[in-house]
Amino acid sequence: ILNVEQSPQSLHVQEGDSTNFTCSFPSSNFYALHWYRWETAKSPKALFVMTLNGDEKKKGRISATLNTKEGYSYLYIKGSQPEDSATYLCAFNTNAGKSTFGDGTTLTVKP
Amino acid sequence: NAGVTQTPKFRVLKTGQSMTLLCAQDMNHEYMYWYRQDPGMGLRLIHYSVGEGTTAKGEVPDGYNVSRLKKQNFLLGLESAAPSQTSVYFCASRDYEQYFGPGTRLTVT
Repeated sequence: ILNVEQSPQSLHVQEGDSTNFTCSFPSSNFYALHWYRWETAKSPKALFVMTLNGDEKKKGRISATLNTKEGYSYLYIKGSQPEDSATYLCAFNTNAGKSTFGDGTTLTVKP
Repeated sequence: NAGVTQTPKFRVLKTGQSMTLLCAQDMNHEYMYWYRQDPGMGLRLIHYSVGEGTTAKGEVPDGYNVSRLKKQNFLLGLESAAPSQTSVYFCASRDYEQYFGPGTRLTVT
């Protein structure tokens, strides 16, 4: 069983705060690392797909970095807004097509 | 494009009954996945497929079977349902990123 771990499990911040989460994964058989945003009562939606060591991706106020050699990825949210409240999942993908998710970080942004 | 659809959306089974969940995608994706989601946990992979006619076990395959006879469909079967299989089931298909269906809420009493 592949261990994909996310921390923290939950996070409560004030509107305007910047925050970051961690996803750690095995360093062997790496193919891609995905980040997803999951809102209550909806389905997960992809944020980023990261494949290369040193990758940095950005979408608006959200960005992510990847270190495949040490097996971690960070997701950053700059100036959090209440609409950023959601669970953020990472998924480790092997080159055989297997996808293993972490348990997620649940972010709550208070106005 | 309908994307990824799942049938049914809700179901209640008695222990020992069987059922099949259908996942269909119209994006011509090779990869398809079945996950279950339980309270306080993320998504756990049940089975997956890397193409028509192929299936492989995920993290929690016991008690489930799957088939991928057509590229666009991925079926998840429960032969003899148990209360431990009460969960929300998500299907996904992938090219570059995964696209998820709306989920099926299954209760086994």
